[in-house]
Amino acid sequence: DTEVTQTPKHLVMGMTNKKSLKCEQHMGHRAMYWYKQKAKKPPELMFVYSYEKLSINESVPSRFSPECPNSSLLNLHLHALQPEDSALYLCAVKGQGDSPLHFGNGTRLTVT
Amino acid sequence: AQSVTQPDIHITVSEGASLELRCNYSYGATPYLFWYVQSPGQGLQLLLKYFSGDTLVQGIKGFEAEFKRSQSSFNLRKPSVHWSDAAEYFCAGGPYSGNTPLVFGKGTRLSVIA
Repeated sequence: DTEVTQTPKHLVMGMTNKKSLKCEQHMGHRAMYWYKQKAKKPPELMFVYSYEKLSINESVPSRFSPECPNSSLLNLHLHALQPEDSALYLCAVKGQGDSPLHFGNGTRLTVT
Repeated sequence: AQSVTQPDIHITVSEGASLELRCNYSYGATPYLFWYVQSPGQGLQLLLKYFSGDTLVQGIKGFEAEFKRSQSSFNLRKPSVHWSDAAEYFCAGGPYSGNTPLVFGKGTRLSVIA
């Protein structure tokens, strides 16, 4: 499914680094989500943007900073992460009404 | 509280055999239910969804699911499993309410043997 594109596919970063994850959608949907998924676990919701405004923050630590610069882009800025933050980070988008969540293929993040 | 339960952590089936993955939900009203599949290192792909109407819904890749209100279940079925169906399967649900986040089950890992 290339309608939600996440870059990079893989990222290795040290605990003092600053990096960003990017999500781009071409579906015209106005709700955009960040999920974190650890191995053998379901996705855990981190943030929800609705019409480019942050509507839900699931008590995520401030070392994760989301940004929605326009209706097609969603970023997740990372700073001073811990090894336990290593996970698959998934972006998803959703349209109105009974539209389902559409996921990107994720960014596999490793914090060393 | 709203919840989605997948009782089976891991299921192994033979190629060509039938498959049923279980999902139970707990909601006050008719929930909005989904099945997603995830191959290793990939995102989640929607197999099918249910909100209202016909309780037997058809999805992609030959999958179907049946909503049974009396049993609070939304089980996923496939009549003949292929080796490529080996993956993690997630049931998810939520109220039909804007962008209210879905609740995911813990997932069922499907292994397919020859």
